[in-house]
Amino acid sequence: SSELTQDPAVSVALGQTVRITCQGDSLRSFHVSWYQQKPGQAPILVIYGNDNRPSGIPDRFSGSSSGDTSSLTITGAQGEDEGDYYCNSRDSSGNHPFGTGTKVTVL
Amino acid sequence: QLQLQESGPGLVKPSATLSLTCTVSGGSISSSKYYWAWIRQPPGKGLEWIANIYHSGTTNYNPSLRNRVTVSVDTPKNQFSLKLTSVTATDTAVYYCARWGPSGPYWNFDYWGQGMLVSVSS
Repeated sequence: SSELTQDPAVSVALGQTVRITCQGDSLRSFHVSWYQQKPGQAPILVIYGNDNRPSGIPDRFSGSSSGDTSSLTITGAQGEDEGDYYCNSRDSSGNHPFGTGTKVTVL
Repeated sequence: QLQLQESGPGLVKPSATLSLTCTVSGGSISSSKYYWAWIRQPPGKGLEWIANIYHSGTTNYNPSLRNRVTVSVDTPKNQFSLKLTSVTATDTAVYYCARWGPSGPYWNFDYWGQGMLVSVSS
């Protein structure tokens, strides 16, 4: 199965750490990317290749992966980090499923 | 700076065909390095990958939409297009075009259009 499952919502106090997980069989074989989406905007890439940050993405964003689960961690969350986060990978058939999405609220 | 822009009708009748075009500027759609993609998002819901296409015309489709979707590329115009047949209200969504490209050995949707809402209604 190429389905990627995420927790629907998480909340984090300002300045604290939050981890978002993405689970799926395809993650055992293929790398994951993470996208941040704010209301009314297109998604932007925040992590690629499991644990790499594109230029311009703050270093409070980090990624990791083990087995069938990948994680995105925000260390020292800021108000501007609120939004929806989606993982994305591929499968052996060349499909590119997105995760179900996690809404992050910064309290 | 690469830019992508979706265009097409914002309202489509049920059972009709949805047609969208993505115009790429600031880069060539014929580059051998990249694929081009369509992704959609129903209101209040998550992202759904629709298809990828290479400048040669090689395509890859989401199995759940394969029997209704066609994507094509027009290299002289630096555009690629989406056609979705027999639409219903469940096809109402913001449709994004995007570039699928490499960052080192890893591939991502690294550039996105702003998105275009297409509503299916009579």
